[in-house]
Amino acid sequence: AQKITQTQPGMFVQEKEAVTLDCTYDTSDQSYGLFWYKQPSSGEMIFLIYQGSYDEQNATEGRYSLNFQKARKSANLVISASQLGDSAMYFCAMRGPNTGNQFYFGTGTSLTVIP
Amino acid sequence: GAVVSQHPSRVICKSGTSVKIECRSLDFQATTMFWYRQFPKQSLMLMATSNEGSKATYEQGVEKDKFLINHASLTLSTLTVTSAHPEDSSFYICSARVTGHNSPLHFGNGTRLTVT
Repeated sequence: AQKITQTQPGMFVQEKEAVTLDCTYDTSDQSYGLFWYKQPSSGEMIFLIYQGSYDEQNATEGRYSLNFQKARKSANLVISASQLGDSAMYFCAMRGPNTGNQFYFGTGTSLTVIP
Repeated sequence: GAVVSQHPSRVICKSGTSVKIECRSLDFQATTMFWYRQFPKQSLMLMATSNEGSKATYEQGVEKDKFLINHASLTLSTLTVTSAHPEDSSFYICSARVTGHNSPLHFGNGTRLTVT
């Protein structure tokens, strides 16, 4: 069975500081993909970043980077230089062969950026 | 690219009526679309996988007769909440992905349903 765990229900960060949002996963697949999404209060789900299980380099997309530690089965999202607009829910998700086309989502972390 | 449009964004209906929600892939074809439900401050719960030209695959515990899914074309899937009740009030969000191993899900903006 696939499982995604996000242990931080809520996080606070000072504007312009960096913040790490934790995500661990459990899978027996060798090939899988890890995704992070942002959900502002308006509700839409915004894709942020992707990491493949065979990727040797940590993924980066602008201010977002993924700290991928395969042996620990963790895929933490790092947001650098936080902005007020980063305040939102953040979801980690995983997709693998045994999930078919399905994405499994974690319970999310609510991030609040403090001015 | 890879835009998913969902309509309506909000709907209020009376108990016992039916509500149809549309999900369109605007710039790509989607043989598969996914319907999720989200309760306040909770994660997304997959309700069903919509397959173009065939029956949807429902997750355990989701009533097929209450949540009717039709995927009549490669760009349109619809979710109809039949005989809605207040407990069906929720945020419904659809998604689709472009074919490819590392392709992410692209989501519509969601529909907030309130049943009075």
